[in-house]
Amino acid sequence: DGGITQSPKYLFRKEGQNVTLSCEQNLNHDAMYWYRQDPGQGLRLIYYSQIVNDFQKGDIAEGYSVSREKKESFPLTVTSAQKNPTAFYLCASSIMGADTGELFFGEGSRLTVL
Amino acid sequence: GENVEQHPSTLSVQEGDSAVIKCTYSDSASNYFPWYKQELGKRPQLIIDIRSNVGEKKDQRIAVTLNKTAKHFSLHITETQPEDSAVYFCASHRPFGNEKLTFGTGTRLTIIP
Repeated sequence: DGGITQSPKYLFRKEGQNVTLSCEQNLNHDAMYWYRQDPGQGLRLIYYSQIVNDFQKGDIAEGYSVSREKKESFPLTVTSAQKNPTAFYLCASSIMGADTGELFFGEGSRLTVL
Repeated sequence: GENVEQHPSTLSVQEGDSAVIKCTYSDSASNYFPWYKQELGKRPQLIIDIRSNVGEKKDQRIAVTLNKTAKHFSLHITETQPEDSAVYFCASHRPFGNEKLTFGTGTRLTIIP
């Protein structure tokens, strides 16, 4: 069953702690993305990767880090430097080179900082 | 970079009536414009898209129009039904190099039975 799997679905963090959100896809897509969703602000791009071992900052990369060691995996670390990390995080993937840019999303991870 | 503005932010329509959501984009090089629907607690899913060489596209009750000169595109939903209630996002895609979408801020559509 092809798709994108995010974990955990819900995560609580104390201030000052780093947390890592997992994103795995078995769609054989080259490109992967992390978006942050806040009420009234739509989907804002954090980081994206078009190929293994390479990634680019999106519009709101400060306080986040990523890695792309495998084609299937694109974990996101929310560091203590992120001032307002409580949000809903969506991972997505797309076929590299296609001019459609269609994104396939995971079910999301909701992070709450206590 | 690309900027996408979406209006209105909320929209309520009577069941059976039509709904229209509008978006404008800033980069004239953008060539692909998808619309995503996100139901409460679920992931966004593509519902319709249009490319820059087409002015209109229709899929059953849903249609999208594109005006390249004015740099705006719109989503039209006819004969609305309760299951159309969701948040709708428009987006634009720039070719050549940065394979990413820029999203609008979303429209919460509520269908009143």
